[in-house]
Amino acid sequence: AQTVTQSQPEMSVQEAETVTLSCTYDTSESDYYLFWYKQPPSRQMILVIRQEAYKQQNATENRFSVNFQKAAKSFSLKISDSQLGDAAMYFCAFRQYGGGADGLTFGKGTHLIIQP
Amino acid sequence: DTGVSQDPRHKITKRGQNVTFRCDPISEHNRLYWYRQTLGQGPEFLTYFQNEAQLEKSRLLSDRFSAERPKGSFSTLEIQRTEQGDSAMYLCASSLGTVGLAGVYNEQFFGPGTRLTVL
Repeated sequence: AQTVTQSQPEMSVQEAETVTLSCTYDTSESDYYLFWYKQPPSRQMILVIRQEAYKQQNATENRFSVNFQKAAKSFSLKISDSQLGDAAMYFCAFRQYGGGADGLTFGKGTHLIIQP
Repeated sequence: DTGVSQDPRHKITKRGQNVTFRCDPISEHNRLYWYRQTLGQGPEFLTYFQNEAQLEKSRLLSDRFSAERPKGSFSTLEIQRTEQGDSAMYLCASSLGTVGLAGVYNEQFFGPGTRLTVL
C-alpha cells in the first residue's frame, strides 16, 4: 500500500510571492502518477497538475510547477506570483499505474493562505 | 451545469438510521468513484465503478456501506445503521476510462460532496 505525507498543515505567503508546498510518498511501484489537487472553501476539488513517474521532466502549468524527485520520493508544488484566488486546501495524491487500481491516495492537505 | 452533481448536499440523521446519497457523473464518463473526507483529512478512496461493474473496494467500505450503479449512469451510496464515526463529506468523482487500458491516465472530476452529520 502507498502512503502520501504532507508535513505542512498550513502555509502563508504574500500576494505575488512564490510558495512551495511539500509532499513525500512511499510506494514499491515503479510506474505511477502524482497529482496536486486544489480544494477551495466550500467548492469542489479540481486538478492543478499531474506528473507521470516515467517522465524525468517536471510538469508545469502556467504559474504552477512541480519538483519531482523519484529517488527521494518527493513531489513538491511551486506556485509563482501567488494570487488571492490560490487560497485553498492543497492535496497531494498518488495513483498507481495499472493493476486495476484506479483510486487516488491523498495526503492530509496543506492549507494555503494568501496575504494581500 | 455539466459537471458531477451530488444530492443531497447536506444530510443530518440520527444514529442508527439509514441514509442514501446519489451521484450523477459527467454524462459521457464511464468510471465513477466514491471517497470519504473527514474533517482535517484528505479524501479516502472507498470504491469505483466502470460502467455498472464495481471493480475496486477499499477496506474502509464496511458491511454497512453499499454502492450501486445499476445502469452505468448515476450511482447511489447507502449507509445502514449510521454511526457517529460516519460523519464526513462523501465525495463522488467521474472519469472517462479507457476500457482494457487500466493504467492509462484519466482525470477524475469531483462533485461538490454530500456532508453527512450523524447525531
